[in-house]
Amino acid sequence: DIQMTQSPSTLSASVGDRVTITCRASQSISSWLAWYQQKPGKAPKLLIYKASSLESGVPSRFSGSGSGTEFTLTISSLQPDDFATYYCQQYSSYPLTFGGGTKVEIQ
Amino acid sequence: EVQLVESGGGLVQPGGSLRLSCAASGFTFSDHYMDWVRQTPGKGLEWVGRSKNKANFYTTEYAASVKGRFTVSRDDSKNSLYLQMNSLKTEDTAVYHCTTAGSSGYEIAWGQGTMVTVSS
Repeated sequence: DIQMTQSPSTLSASVGDRVTITCRASQSISSWLAWYQQKPGKAPKLLIYKASSLESGVPSRFSGSGSGTEFTLTISSLQPDDFATYYCQQYSSYPLTFGGGTKVEIQ
Repeated sequence: EVQLVESGGGLVQPGGSLRLSCAASGFTFSDHYMDWVRQTPGKGLEWVGRSKNKANFYTTEYAASVKGRFTVSRDDSKNSLYLQMNSLKTEDTAVYHCTTAGSSGYEIAWGQGTMVTVSS
């Protein structure tokens, strides 16, 4: 199975900060990576697919980059609505696997 | 608007069985891959299994942790996805989400989930 490792597990930041979350795959997954946002009590929501493609309706302050084994999710200017937990997922091969999550907290 | 509504969760004893259902609307169900993903506080998100679409012969895929115990099935005439869970273990306790994965592989939309508790 492909292991997905996210860092950091928790991140404290302020409104307006630039935030970067890293996701590493245990083997190459090309660009078959998605990012999700989850708020407490809600289902996850798709933000990014194919490593850097922005899902329709997602604000442009979210961006994704990377290929192979190293990927990043960047929020260019953190907004109050962005405090949540973020997960990466590889869909290169079965079983599909998720990272452990990064909780973005208010500093 | 895509809607996915799960049902069938509850409390079951270890070794027991449960069948989850997911009612889908707002998209062409028969064209889409459909998944089950579960979530626990301690282990985060875990992909459980997939039913591919008719064009891909309704092929199923499973996580190793559930293979041989869980079965994903679908009824395109009812826009419904199912998860038959047998030989349940305490570690299967989780919120189970139904998701639609299009034919691209990632989870496009998620249902709110249904809670399954396996306990004596």
